[in-house]
Amino acid sequence: QQQVKQSPQSLIVQKGGISIINCAYENTAFDYFPWYQQFPGKGPALLIAIRPDVSEKKEGRFTISFNKSAKQFSLHIMDSQPGDSATYFCAAGTDSWGKLQFGAGTQVVVTP
Amino acid sequence: NAGVMQNPRHLVRRRGQEARLRCSPMKGHSHVYWYRQLPEEGLKFMVYLQKENIIDESGMPKERFSAEFPKEGPSILRIQQVVRGDSAAYFCASSPFPQGRLNTEAFFGQGTRLTVV
Repeated sequence: QQQVKQSPQSLIVQKGGISIINCAYENTAFDYFPWYQQFPGKGPALLIAIRPDVSEKKEGRFTISFNKSAKQFSLHIMDSQPGDSATYFCAAGTDSWGKLQFGAGTQVVVTP
Repeated sequence: NAGVMQNPRHLVRRRGQEARLRCSPMKGHSHVYWYRQLPEEGLKFMVYLQKENIIDESGMPKERFSAEFPKEGPSILRIQQVVRGDSAAYFCASSPFPQGRLNTEAFFGQGTRLTVV
């Protein structure tokens, strides 16, 4: 069963716009929530990660919002650029595990 | 400072053959994770290994699949008697500590794309 549900499947946004990707999880033991960016033919690369003790984390144009009570977290890409066109995966894990549960991915296309 | 190295990048096997996928972790990393990615899907955890130990293999099929991470040399994911459904991209990641601890990042390799014909 999918432990981390991600939406939307795909997203088209104009240059300069905001891309928003949402994820929801079931397992309350999760306490580590990273986002990965993957370009075609490449491995996933960590973009930004958050723990449940904060509700928001920002790094450059990328922001994670976290809602512990709703068991949801989201990625906002501000001022989207064509170079941001990639597939984005949310994931969840715990300190005691060495593994991550990934969402199904969101393909983001930023048009010029 | 090489990243996680996986080889081969592409592997074609006929049904019934064996596939061996290799992963050399980053220098100083003793934790290795294997994930499988089917087309248009997210990554699915398969197995987590430390040097000479399998820590968690809960995501690995019970038959035909095995993994090892010897004291010396790369981690190997072995698939015996491959079937068409094994066609996927297999990614290896490594980290110096268990993923998630102390904000430790796991670095992914570029993957091995297995095609079973």
